[in-house]
Amino acid sequence: GIQVEQSPPDLILQEGANSTLRCNFSDSVNNLQWFHQNPWGQLINLFYIPSGTKQNGRLSATTVATERYSLLYISSSQTTDSGVYFCAEGESQGNLIFGKGTKLSVKP
Amino acid sequence: NAGVTQTPKFQVLKTGQSMTLQCAQDMNHNSMYWYRQDPGMGLRLIYYSASEGTTDKGEVPNGYNVSRLNKREFSLRLESAAPSQTSVYFCASRSTPGASYNSPLHFGNGTRLTVT
Repeated sequence: GIQVEQSPPDLILQEGANSTLRCNFSDSVNNLQWFHQNPWGQLINLFYIPSGTKQNGRLSATTVATERYSLLYISSSQTTDSGVYFCAEGESQGNLIFGKGTKLSVKP
Repeated sequence: NAGVTQTPKFQVLKTGQSMTLQCAQDMNHNSMYWYRQDPGMGLRLIYYSASEGTTDKGEVPNGYNVSRLNKREFSLRLESAAPSQTSVYFCASRSTPGASYNSPLHFGNGTRLTVT
């Protein structure tokens, strides 16, 4: 099955700093998604991005399908960005395989 | 439009007890999923239902059963709870028109289950 690896596992930032989170895949990319789990445990879909680049406010994501990786950029980080960021990729039968996540802590 | 609704939010069971976790979505999605989340393990798929009337095993199905009651509802049952099933359970759904799986996944808020 698909292997999904995320880096770094932990990240501590000062408010206002920028960061890049990475997701690598063992198989072809066609269903790549990024999620944010906030400190209350809610999982929010940030991007559905099987290829190309998308932006939503201070967040943007880029997937390079031919090289089997995706990047999530967070600019001008805020304390509300804290939480765990997951990427996931789909298998042919429809289920998504999740990475173990990057835990982000933004300090005021 | 409530999205994906899970009940209950919290539950404590004793070993051997049974219970059913309920999930309903109001987005007319074809596919529904049950994941469990354990510390350091990310999310792992328990069962999924690609469409009404079908269910399939995921990565960690042992000890669980599911029912796709109708298009809206997908329940997860623990017949004889074990401490290893202590976890946070998430239900999710997405639209899969024409069996295409290229669409975003939407999650419920989770059920925190403790088995003593």
